[in-house]
Amino acid sequence: DTGVSQNPRHKITKRGQNVTFRCDPISEHNRLYWYRQTLGQGPEFLTYFQNEAQLEKSRLLSDRFSAERPKGSFSTLEIQRTEQGDSAMYLCASSLAEGAGTEAFFGQGTRLTVV
Amino acid sequence: AQSVTQPDIHITVSEGASLELRCNYSYGATPYLFWYVQSPGQGLQLLLKYFSGDTLVQGIKGFEAEFKRSQSSFNLRKPSVHWSDAAEYFCAVGAGTASKLTFGTGTRLQVTL
Repeated sequence: DTGVSQNPRHKITKRGQNVTFRCDPISEHNRLYWYRQTLGQGPEFLTYFQNEAQLEKSRLLSDRFSAERPKGSFSTLEIQRTEQGDSAMYLCASSLAEGAGTEAFFGQGTRLTVV
Repeated sequence: AQSVTQPDIHITVSEGASLELRCNYSYGATPYLFWYVQSPGQGLQLLLKYFSGDTLVQGIKGFEAEFKRSQSSFNLRKPSVHWSDAAEYFCAVGAGTASKLTFGTGTRLQVTL
């Protein structure tokens, strides 16, 4: 396993379009997290899954954002009707469930630019 | 709610000099603490972590950090900086769920030759 994989690495879209990002976690990890990082800031938590269940969503995740993890493996993050304020790096991370003394491993991110 | 403060936005050190990056956290119980490094346009790489036990933790690339409960701090240190250490460094706290993290705003490290 080569780690957490995110696709695409870069995405440029016009305002109002929908975009979808994919994250493939480390294969044995049952938790998957999405974070957003804007320029000059640290990553901010958006949502996380344990297996296929979405257990928590941040208030940052507006109604235009939806995340899925249909079979408890890969996850998708969709942004509908993109706005310029959505321009950011979207990071995915995975880990084993709490109690295993684990940490999150991050992918290289998808950089979204809304023009 | 937990929070992390990294008071230094930007630090410049000479290659071979020692380094200390500051991190203060706010959390009511014993936190999980992490330092990550991020190169431009890249994801985050874990340098080290503190969950419990020995308060001085060793990480990769010669980094270490010390957890001081009385000061709510988890400062990152390296005795001799290399030019390749130039990057953005993030301190993070995990509360309850170790992997749901709250990050600081980061410290950008510049290394002069």
